[in-house]
Amino acid sequence: AQRVTQPEKLLSVFKGAPVELKCNYSYSGSPELFWYVQYSRQRLQLLLRHISRESIKGFTADLNKGETSFHLKKPFAQEEDSAMYYCALLTGGGNKLTFGTGTQLKVEL
Amino acid sequence: DAGVTQSPTHLIKTRGQHVTLRCSPISGHKSVSWYQQVLGQGPQFIFQYYEKEERGRGNFPDRFSARQFPNYSSELNVNALLLGDSALYLCASSRRGMEETQYFGPGTRLLVL
Repeated sequence: AQRVTQPEKLLSVFKGAPVELKCNYSYSGSPELFWYVQYSRQRLQLLLRHISRESIKGFTADLNKGETSFHLKKPFAQEEDSAMYYCALLTGGGNKLTFGTGTQLKVEL
Repeated sequence: DAGVTQSPTHLIKTRGQHVTLRCSPISGHKSVSWYQQVLGQGPQFIFQYYEKEERGRGNFPDRFSARQFPNYSSELNVNALLLGDSALYLCASSRRGMEETQYFGPGTRLLVL
């Protein structure tokens, strides 16, 4: 069965420090992975997806099939990056989305 | 466009009752999916509908059902409510499928007493 693991419930970093939010997945098929973000008092929204290979708000994520990981990275954290981040895996022929438990990122001044 | 809307925003029910939650997708979006988010957990996928047909189903009991109407709005029904059904229920819409950007609604918070 498919599974998404985000080992850290809370990650606290200082402004300007590098950020890495970990995500590991378990899936026998070809994975399609996403990062969703929820800022305080806002709705859950898509941050980026691996097939786009794009950088959004300075964040990037590379799919590593060997390590079954899709870690989210940013070289220099900003205060506005403080939010809840969820990694998600699309399976079932594109008809089932499995979310991890989320990591709360707190960027301190 | 107001984005995805859900009603009601909050709901209190007692065990054994039935509940209906409603979702209106963004105009032009034909796919709607439902999620249950228990406090401290990530959203758990319940259903996906596209063009009024069920395309995906998560690991939820048959007490959970849904449907999509010709205007692409959707209802989630839960029968014989249990205390454990207390959660935030999220709806998301996209133009076609879940491989595209999903736009989430604000959710309906259900409390079962």
